[in-house]
Amino acid sequence: GAGVSQSPSNKVTEKGKDVELRCDPISGHTALYWYRQRLGQGLEFLIYFQGNSAPDKSGLPSDRFSAERTGESVSTLTIQRTQQEDSAVYLCASSLGAGNTEAFFGQGTRLTVV
Amino acid sequence: AQSVTQLDSQVPVFEEAPVELRCNYSSSVSVYLFWYVQYPNQGLQLLLKYLSGSTLVESINGFEAEFNKSQTSFHLRKPSVHISDTAEYFCAVSGRGFQKLVFGTGTRLLVSP
Repeated sequence: GAGVSQSPSNKVTEKGKDVELRCDPISGHTALYWYRQRLGQGLEFLIYFQGNSAPDKSGLPSDRFSAERTGESVSTLTIQRTQQEDSAVYLCASSLGAGNTEAFFGQGTRLTVV
Repeated sequence: AQSVTQLDSQVPVFEEAPVELRCNYSSSVSVYLFWYVQYPNQGLQLLLKYLSGSTLVESINGFEAEFNKSQTSFHLRKPSVHISDTAEYFCAVSGRGFQKLVFGTGTRLLVSP
């Protein structure tokens, strides 16, 4: 596609439910990132996929968070047993992979846990 | 591993005044440096980047940033800001090769008339 696409754009869920967020990167981009942006705060790194290498999961805040990516295509971020502190905008970005290349961001998924 | 520090969470300025948004990084290896901007209700987009060569890089809308290796800084400047520059600005760093992009906490630039 023309850009990074994320779905849904908004998600309201009840505390304790599981949610799945989807990211469609730009075709040909080998790197894919998930970030979290809480209201009024900066970008918190969650996970980084690069080609077929093992993902860098060092930013996942707890074992309730997991992410998968099939090859160099779609990625899903799953949050199990959601908590109110999980409420945030979840941003996905993709790039050609090398550190000197621009990361292109999706519009994000706004998750609200009630 | 790399890290980025943006000490100023918010910078209020008047229109047509100069501004500097500070960014310091930490890394044990050579890095690439970026500034991204997030306008209200929009997604993040690249503003400018330093890869190599000239340490002074410019954007199309009048911002510039200078890579200072000795001070491990990459401050963003504009000599005269506009109302439309109101946005959140994020500094980011990546190591050479296939390294993840690490962001600072962001600086909110508020330009008032």
